[in-house]
Amino acid sequence: KAGVTQTPRYLIKTRGQQVTLSCSPISGHRSVSWYQQTPGQGLQFLFEYFSETQRNKGNFPGRFSGRQFSNSRSEMNVSTLELGDSALYLCASSLLMGEQYFGPGTRLTVT
Amino acid sequence: KNEVEQSPQNLTAQEGEFITINCSYSVGISALHWLQQHPGGGIVSLFMLSSGKKKHGRLIATINIQEKHSSLHITASHPRDSAVYICAVRMDSNYQLIWGAGTKLIIKP
Repeated sequence: KAGVTQTPRYLIKTRGQQVTLSCSPISGHRSVSWYQQTPGQGLQFLFEYFSETQRNKGNFPGRFSGRQFSNSRSEMNVSTLELGDSALYLCASSLLMGEQYFGPGTRLTVT
Repeated sequence: KNEVEQSPQNLTAQEGEFITINCSYSVGISALHWLQQHPGGGIVSLFMLSSGKKKHGRLIATINIQEKHSSLHITASHPRDSAVYICAVRMDSNYQLIWGAGTKLIIKP
């Protein structure tokens, strides 16, 4: 069974631009969560989707948004990028919000 | 005060030592997770437990629901166990996952 995949793996953007990251969960998994990881802050929860509905949201500004499609694939969008948005963005999928399986992450650098 | 507290933050030990990492939480939970992240590597789920004890190889995880406390033990530690170990709890009120700050473990040969 294929694992969680995230695209792209690396991305360089300029301040003010927007970015869309993609996550494909393990086949059969309907729950997808997104996290931001920075060296100083550790893992910070962004949001969690289950069956196309956002179930939980972390304490991030409205510039961070996401959605989940009917095939459980999920996208995360960050608008008006700031330097502080440079981080590793991780996606995790699970079966009915159980054990979390993480993807390799997307490394975003904002210049 | 954070809802999930891990201790210690950093731990350095010699190969072969018995390792214990602790996780305390202050909310009602439906499950607790232990995960491992190697330097530059991805995050791997080690255990998900809601009661008692689980064992996988040299790793043992225990949870005491009444005391709101869990421990992760590593027996016969090895340098390849060097990683960050993260505890997370699934709240029973809204099912949100709350993450601990992680424990950085270094095992010296």
